[in-house]
Amino acid sequence: SQQGEEDPQALSIQEGENATMNCSYKTSINNLQWYRQNSGRGLVHLILIRSNEREKHSGRLRVTLDTSKKSSSLLITASRAADTASYFCATDYFGNEKLTFGTGTRLTIIP
Amino acid sequence: EAQVTQNPRYLITVTGKKLTVTCSQNMNHEYMSWYRQDPGLGLRQIYYSMNVEVTDKGDVPEGYKVSRKEKRNFPLILESPSPNQTSLYFCASSLWPTNSPLHFGNGTRLTVT
Repeated sequence: SQQGEEDPQALSIQEGENATMNCSYKTSINNLQWYRQNSGRGLVHLILIRSNEREKHSGRLRVTLDTSKKSSSLLITASRAADTASYFCATDYFGNEKLTFGTGTRLTIIP
Repeated sequence: EAQVTQNPRYLITVTGKKLTVTCSQNMNHEYMSWYRQDPGLGLRQIYYSMNVEVTDKGDVPEGYKVSRKEKRNFPLILESPSPNQTSLYFCASSLWPTNSPLHFGNGTRLTVT
């Protein structure tokens, strides 16, 4: 099934640095969401961005959406050890009432 | 506290022994869904429900059943579990299926031997 693909699959950075992860998708979307998952736990919603929006912020998180490139990026600024987690994008498409998840980016923050 | 509650957290069973994983939400959400998560495959939807008595298949429904008799509860039933159903399972709920945040339970790690 169509889904977003996150890039990179894994990312390790020093605490305090910024982390950027990307999501590419195949078909025009209605909405794109980002979720965080701490090891083996349930996913937690971070940000929802609609197809007519280009950028959204929430605290240290910044999400951009480029519909011409069919891609989104999640930026975490001033990373902390607690940001260590897997991050997933999820998309939905016009006429398809289903949210489809990518396989995630595993982010490790090194203290 | 708004939450989705899944039980049990861990479950080890044998092939063929029927089991039920319960899911309950206290947010009066219309939409509920079950996912399984396997390494390298991400989250795949098993079944979903748009409202009471309304359920539909997701991407990987084979070997599973669900019911939605009450708005708050959405149990997942494995009538005859097999080893390929060993996985991490998540229940989730939201106001709408796509343009509102999904709230996830903490997961059920199922092992079928």
